Amino acid sequence: DGGITQSPKYLFRKEGQNVTLSCEQNLNHDAMYWYRQDPGQGLRLIYYSQIVNDFQKGDIAEGYSVSREKKESFPLTVTSAQKNPTAFYLCASRRGGQSYEQYFGPGTRLTVT
Amino acid sequence: SQQGEEDPQALSIQEGENATMNCSYKTSINNLQWYRQNSGRGLVHLILIRSNEREKHSGRLRITLDTSKKSSSLLITASRAADTASYFCATDLNDYKLSFGAGTTVTVRA
Repeated sequence: DGGITQSPKYLFRKEGQNVTLSCEQNLNHDAMYWYRQDPGQGLRLIYYSQIVNDFQKGDIAEGYSVSREKKESFPLTVTSAQKNPTAFYLCASRRGGQSYEQYFGPGTRLTVT
Repeated sequence: SQQGEEDPQALSIQEGENATMNCSYKTSINNLQWYRQNSGRGLVHLILIRSNEREKHSGRLRITLDTSKKSSSLLITASRAADTASYFCATDLNDYKLSFGAGTTVTVRA
């Protein structure tokens, strides 16, 4: 059963703690993406990676970090430097080349209090 | 930055009616895509139209693209309760990234 998995679905943290969101794909896709979605808004790009061991900042990278050590995995760390981390986080992947569609995971809802 | 802007923000229709939503964007694109999001879920890709295409169909979906006006429309015909969702347009500038609009929330009443 191919797809993208994100875990956990709900995550609660205290302010000042770093937290890592998991994203795994078994689609053999080259590119992976992290987006943030706030209520009633569209998706904003945090980081993306086109190949293993390489990634680029998106529009709102401040306070976040990523790694891409394996093709299948693209974890996102929300650091204590992120001013307003409570949001819905979505991971996506794309095959690459002339294939432009992105495939999304189910999302992780992070609440920081 | 969000390049796409959907209109209207929200739409409520009766089952069986058609739903039309529009997307405007600012710069030249490689392609434009529409996605659906059910509440609290991830996005699902619906359809893609390339910059040299004007219209595409997929089942009950019809999308148009007018590059001179930098706009696109998504029509859902004969709507069903299961079509209740948020719909997002996303522009591809051929730089490995998509830029999403804020979405149109569609409610289909039984």
